[in-house]
Amino acid sequence: LAKTTQPISMDSYEGQEVNITCSHNNIATNDYITWYQQFPSQGPRFIIQGYKTKVTNEVASLFIPADRKSSTLSLPRVSLSDTAVYYCLVVSSNTGKLIFGQGTTLQVKP
Amino acid sequence: GAGVSQSPSNKVTEKGKDVELRCDPISGHTALYWYRQSLGQGLEFLIYFQGNSAPDKSGLPSDRFSAERTGGSVSTLTIQRTQQEDSAVYLCASRLSPGADNQPQHFGDGTRLSIL
Repeated sequence: LAKTTQPISMDSYEGQEVNITCSHNNIATNDYITWYQQFPSQGPRFIIQGYKTKVTNEVASLFIPADRKSSTLSLPRVSLSDTAVYYCLVVSSNTGKLIFGQGTTLQVKP
Repeated sequence: GAGVSQSPSNKVTEKGKDVELRCDPISGHTALYWYRQSLGQGLEFLIYFQGNSAPDKSGLPSDRFSAERTGGSVSTLTIQRTQQEDSAVYLCASRLSPGADNQPQHFGDGTRLSIL
């Protein structure tokens, strides 16, 4: 499975837009990109996923360029409750098996 | 509806004892996964069940670890002769199907295992 690289940590302030970029240079044709959020003492929670171009849901947007070698998770107007670890994963559509990297710890400050 | 349920939420046991961790997936989900999250190793895949197919055990760290899924629903992860390095949070996830619709995995909140 394709390895992902994302920043270890990011800081932001309430009300700002946060963009977390992930690189996945070895993504295969049948792989897709998914993002999870994890709070302390909880299991990871699905945020968004996509194959290419742009996907938007009620909590985030996901931008994927044409070469699919990277992706950017965009969180609009973050709040303190968005402080969490965000994982970028490339997933095989055959098995769905998730290979987690270190994730990005986002700290939202007042 | 009900999410993935794991029990117990916390387990403390002595080194050398066997432990069983239980996962109740979301009803109707055919795929079930076990992961382990520890401070030193992050979140790692352990085993994957899909329907009646042979499980993918490629992530199990040693032969002390085993898992079964009875009736295509509930799964039990068993760790025999526990060691201190087994201390971690064990997470279970289920998924509707690994098919082309790329359904996401839904995680439980895990079992925190502490080996004394």
